[in-house]
Amino acid sequence: LAKTTQPISMDSYEGQEVNITCSHNNIATNDYITWYQQFPSQGPRFIIQGYKTKVTNEVASLFIPADRKSSTLSLPRVSLSDTAVYYCLVGDITGRRALTFGSGTRLQVQP
Amino acid sequence: GAVVSQHPSWVICKSGTSVKIECRSLDFQATTMFWYRQFPKQSLMLMATSNEGSKATYEQGVEKDKFLINHASLTLSTLTVTSAHPEDSSFYICSARGRESGYTFGSGTRLTVV
Repeated sequence: LAKTTQPISMDSYEGQEVNITCSHNNIATNDYITWYQQFPSQGPRFIIQGYKTKVTNEVASLFIPADRKSSTLSLPRVSLSDTAVYYCLVGDITGRRALTFGSGTRLQVQP
Repeated sequence: GAVVSQHPSWVICKSGTSVKIECRSLDFQATTMFWYRQFPKQSLMLMATSNEGSKATYEQGVEKDKFLINHASLTLSTLTVTSAHPEDSSFYICSARGRESGYTFGSGTRLTVV
């Protein structure tokens, strides 16, 4: 399974755009990139998933360069409620293997 | 979308007793379920993987006789922590995967052993 590296923590202010980059140098051909959000004492919540280029949904964008060795989660105009831990996961989503969580990035949004 | 219900959300038990945690997929059939454990300020650690109708596969270092996992149906998996001790106090999270659905997580169970 591809290992991921993300910043341990990030700080931001309300209304700013936040970009969290994840490195996954050993990503395999069949691997997808998925980001989850976790609030304290809750299970992880799916944010966005992609394979290559750019993916956008109602809450975030995911940028994946051509070599797929990294990815960037972009959160537009964050609010206090976006304070959470964000996990970048890489794996083959078509199989039955479990998702492996790295250390995640603890985002703190301040007023 | 796919929903996974996990109960109880929190439980306090005495040392030496057993606790059962349920994980149900509400609107899809979960062919595979996963159990994770999370200690404070740490990431999720996979404990075991269970496929419906077969024995669970445990990760290295996880005692299968202590953490009993049953996946008897396509919508229900249970984790029983037997003879719980204070060091078993943690946040337990289940995840379910269906044939045509991604990975959906339960809301977690906070176990405190006193």
